Amino acid sequence: EAGVTQFPSHSVIEKGQTVTLRCDPISGHDNLYWYRRVMGKEIKFLLHFVKESKQDESGMPNNRFLAERTGGTYSTLKVQPAELEDSGVYFCASSHRGVSYGYTFGSGTRLTVV
Amino acid sequence: GNSVTQMEGPVTLSEEAFLTINCTYTATGYPSLFWYVQYPGEGLQLLLKATKADDKGSNKGFEATYRKETTSFHLEKGSVQVSDSAVYFCALSESGNNRLAFGKGNQVVVIP
Repeated sequence: EAGVTQFPSHSVIEKGQTVTLRCDPISGHDNLYWYRRVMGKEIKFLLHFVKESKQDESGMPNNRFLAERTGGTYSTLKVQPAELEDSGVYFCASSHRGVSYGYTFGSGTRLTVV
Repeated sequence: GNSVTQMEGPVTLSEEAFLTINCTYTATGYPSLFWYVQYPGEGLQLLLKATKADDKGSNKGFEATYRKETTSFHLEKGSVQVSDSAVYFCALSESGNNRLAFGKGNQVVVIP
């Protein structure tokens, strides 16, 4: 089966611009997660979708971040306007069942805000 | 809140050496514990897991035992290969909660 796919793999944008990250989960996986790793820090949870609904968005840092999951398929994470501290690697993961069965992660999008 | 602590700094060792990466955790309940591995250019992959105290997770020659008394889940491998060079992340999840809390990760470099 195809894995979790993330686009783009790298993005460099200027402060104040808008960037949209995309994640295509494994087909049939209802659970989709976004995580972020800022340089030198832990990978942090951002939010969790079950199908098209946001199950838990308690990790979203502020209202400059907007996540959507159209029709319960792919998901987008938009940052508008981007700030320097938003730089990092954004990971998407999907799972068919709960976390104890393990997620499948994408290879991440490296975002650099200059 | 939940947190995971991994030993500081990268780990560099020779092929066939013994590898240990320490991981300790803080959790309010009875978490499940995981080790994820990220090979260069790839996403994180689940390496092994343990869901209750004294369970031992194992995969690809790696092992980790869930120690509730010391709140630890140290990763070990008896004889590493160059192909084991990667970043290793310890993580936990609380029951009833679908999110993972990660440690900072350890870069492991195995030299031929």
